[in-house]
Amino acid sequence: EVQLVQSGAEVKKPGKSLKISCKGSGYSFTSYWIAWVRQMPGKGLQWMAIIHPDDSDTRYSPSFQGQVTLSVDKSISTAYLQWSSLKASDTAIYYCARLWGPLDTSGMVFDIWGQGTMVTVFS
Amino acid sequence: SSELTQDPAVSVALGQTVRITCQGDSLRNYYANWYQQKPGQAPVLLIYGKNNRPSGIPDRFSGSRSGNTTSLTITGAQAEDEADYYCNSRDSSDNHVVFGGGTKLTVL
Repeated sequence: EVQLVQSGAEVKKPGKSLKISCKGSGYSFTSYWIAWVRQMPGKGLQWMAIIHPDDSDTRYSPSFQGQVTLSVDKSISTAYLQWSSLKASDTAIYYCARLWGPLDTSGMVFDIWGQGTMVTVFS
Repeated sequence: SSELTQDPAVSVALGQTVRITCQGDSLRNYYANWYQQKPGQAPVLLIYGKNNRPSGIPDRFSGSRSGNTTSLTITGAQAEDEADYYCNSRDSSDNHVVFGGGTKLTVL
């Protein structure tokens, strides 16, 4: 079964660092881009960034550039999203999703989604 | 960057047909994709490209495009179709992704 499995819920204080994960299985992990999508409480989906697991080529939404960092460990088929200093406004559910097709010609179809990681930041 | 605009809420009577729209300049050049999200669950791909359904998606869901507007049509809405629906596409200016604000569908 093709799936993305994300790490569990996190509760952190403002200013702390955090790294959440997304592990792919059932397919060639290095062949598909992995995107991260934020969903703030009661709100819609926001695309954050996307990374290619084979060479770590990364593209960031202007809204998230400099706010988060994407990385990947292809030896364990896992992508990561990290913050160096969390803010209360980072409270949200974060989804990873697999991009179907090459980025340059893709219709931006996200065919497989992780179950989401809830991140809560409060003092 | 581009934006995709959706109506915040739409309702439909059980068994009737409903159209959910997504409007944006990028849609003149790119197809939109549609996702269904039920409360407490991750989004699920519903329609992609011109009008393609992933395996397992009922054929009562269909997609179409006219000008800068893409539509998701549910023919014979069921109670289980009550959910949030999101469109997405490529940003017209670069290799970025844009999502619509989402439409909450209520089945009466």
